[in-house]
Amino acid sequence: EVQLVESGGGSVNPGGSLRLSCAASGFTFTNAWMSWVRQAPGKGLEWVGRIKSKSDGGTTDYAAPVNGRFTFSRDDSKNTLYLQMNSLKTEDTAVYYCATGGPEQTSSWYSWYFEHWGQGILVTVSS
Amino acid sequence: EMVMTQSPATLSLSPGERATLSCRASQSVSSNLAWYQQKPGQAPRLLIYGASIRATGIPARFSGSGSGTEFTLTISILQSEDFAVYYCQQYNNWPRWTFGQGTKVEIK
Repeated sequence: EVQLVESGGGSVNPGGSLRLSCAASGFTFTNAWMSWVRQAPGKGLEWVGRIKSKSDGGTTDYAAPVNGRFTFSRDDSKNTLYLQMNSLKTEDTAVYYCATGGPEQTSSWYSWYFEHWGQGILVTVSS
Repeated sequence: EMVMTQSPATLSLSPGERATLSCRASQSVSSNLAWYQQKPGQAPRLLIYGASIRATGIPARFSGSGSGTEFTLTISILQSEDFAVYYCQQYNNWPRWTFGQGTKVEIK
């Protein structure tokens, strides 16, 4: 069974930093492109970005609102995805989900659409 | 910038009725469109990908159609567990994916 479990959320002042983790199990994490999606309170879903598998270069793509402030990384030895958030703004307040999914090709997941989601973790940016 | 627009914002229906939800893309996304269902306090659940392919375990009462810029999610016979918020998502405009703002299906 695929499991994604986020941790590290909490409250932080504007301008502060926070690091989220997403522990993965039940699939070949090494081969999976991983994504982050967030949802502000009472609002819709917003794609935050992705990190490719190391075999596909390990490169990252970010949504415009977070580009230059957020950094994705992964530790394949720990099956863990990270989201480092710096220079946080009040508008970054949201539940953050890690997610992955198909299409699946040669045992790799390319995170075009999201079949697997974590339970989400709340980040509150407020003074 | 790709914009996904869903309509209506809210759909008020009774169990047993048919629900028709729309999603429009500001430019063609071919068939690279997914639909999700989200209930309060839960993560989204993938319903449809490739515009019309049901995800694993999704009941046949859920169907998707369309291509290019116009898409439809149909729930043929609403069950009590189908009252939720539904989102479309495009994955054609590389490298940035986009969600629609959502349609809430509520009990009339």
